[in-house]
Amino acid sequence: ELKVEQNPLFLSMQEGKNYTIYCNYSTTSDRLYWYRQDPGKSLESLFVLLSNGAVKQEGRLMASLDTKARLSTLHITAAVHDLSATYFCAVDGAPRSIADSWGKFQFGAGTQVVVTP
Amino acid sequence: NAGVTQTPKFRVLKTGQSMTLLCAQDMNHEYMYWYRQDPGMGLRLIHYSVGEGTTAKGEVPDGYNVSRLKKQNFLLGLESAAPSQTSVYFCASRGETYEQYFGPGTRLTVT
Repeated sequence: ELKVEQNPLFLSMQEGKNYTIYCNYSTTSDRLYWYRQDPGKSLESLFVLLSNGAVKQEGRLMASLDTKARLSTLHITAAVHDLSATYFCAVDGAPRSIADSWGKFQFGAGTQVVVTP
Repeated sequence: NAGVTQTPKFRVLKTGQSMTLLCAQDMNHEYMYWYRQDPGMGLRLIHYSVGEGTTAKGEVPDGYNVSRLKKQNFLLGLESAAPSQTSVYFCASRGETYEQYFGPGTRLTVT
């Protein structure tokens, strides 16, 4: 069974400081995704990581993937209030047999980020 | 290009009633998904489809049925609604770039 664990589940950030959110998963997969969700809204795709060692950056956010450690990190540099949201990682469940197919997603529980002055 | 749309946006049902949620995408995506989101539990996959005419169970399929008769539509049915199905339901689709695009959500309350 594919399990995805995020930590921390809640992160209070001070503006200007750096923080990291961790995403561990339990099975072989080289496809990992990060999403952002604002309260009462839908999910917005942030990053798609498709191979070991993949690193992507957008503004103050940087995501990386280590498939051997089954770990992805989302690093926030110099936090600002606009980054307050809930961040989810998700993993594409690799097929276990020929009859299976790619497509089964498993999300982490989410990390609620609050940035304060 | 509307992306992923969901109807309805809100619905209140009484226990035992049935309903169908419609998801439509105009991006010609093969993969489509139905999730439910409950406080503190993230998103849980209900059912998914890897192409027209195919569906598969996700993590929490009990009490739901789905159909994908046309590539652009993915329907989620509740045959006999229960209070435990009160949730926010999201549909998503995915193409060859692997990125998932989410609909705006349907807020369902079962009393």
